[in-house]
Amino acid sequence: KAGVTQTPRYLIKTRGQQVTLSCSPISGHRSVSWYQQTPGQGLQFLFEYFSETQRNKGNFPGRFSGRQFSNSRSEMNVSTLELGDSALYLCASSAGLAGSYNEQFFGPGTRLTVL
Amino acid sequence: AQSVTQLDSQVPVFEEAPVELRCNYSSSVSVYLFWYVQYPNQGLQLLLKYLSGSTLVESINGFEAEFNKSQTSFHLRKPSVHISDTAEYFCAVTTHGSGNTGKLIFGQGTTLQVKP
Repeated sequence: KAGVTQTPRYLIKTRGQQVTLSCSPISGHRSVSWYQQTPGQGLQFLFEYFSETQRNKGNFPGRFSGRQFSNSRSEMNVSTLELGDSALYLCASSAGLAGSYNEQFFGPGTRLTVL
Repeated sequence: AQSVTQLDSQVPVFEEAPVELRCNYSSSVSVYLFWYVQYPNQGLQLLLKYLSGSTLVESINGFEAEFNKSQTSFHLRKPSVHISDTAEYFCAVTTHGSGNTGKLIFGQGTTLQVKP
């Protein structure tokens, strides 16, 4: 089974631009979660999508948004980039079944640098 | 709300020595607990998890962690470390209940530096 894939792996943008990151989950998984990792704030939960619906949301401004497609692939978008958005963005997929434990499998991440 | 505190940001240790990475959590509801490992330029890999049952959980590469409900701790231990264990380790928690398992709360991470 192929693992979680994220594209692109590296990205350089300038302040004010917007960016879209993509995540393809493990086949059969319906849940995709996104996390931001920075040296200062550590790993922070952004949001989770399950069956094309946002199921959980972290404490990030509205510039951060996401969506999920019918094939469970997910994208996250950051608009009006700020220097502080420079981070490793990780996505994780799981079966997402309610009422039970679902192991999350992480992708390698997209490293975003904002200049 | 849940929170996780990893008490040491860096832990230097010599090869073949024992190590303990400390993790405390705070939650008003029942939780699942995890340790993840991250090697440079890679994503996170699940090392071990506590869901229920035996409070001592083990990984295939010699790590173990013990869930202590009264002390709200989930410390990670290994009796003898190898150079290849050098990595960053994250303790994480999620709560029981439908729809919550897609949201992990992480500690700040502990860098384990194994020296020859």
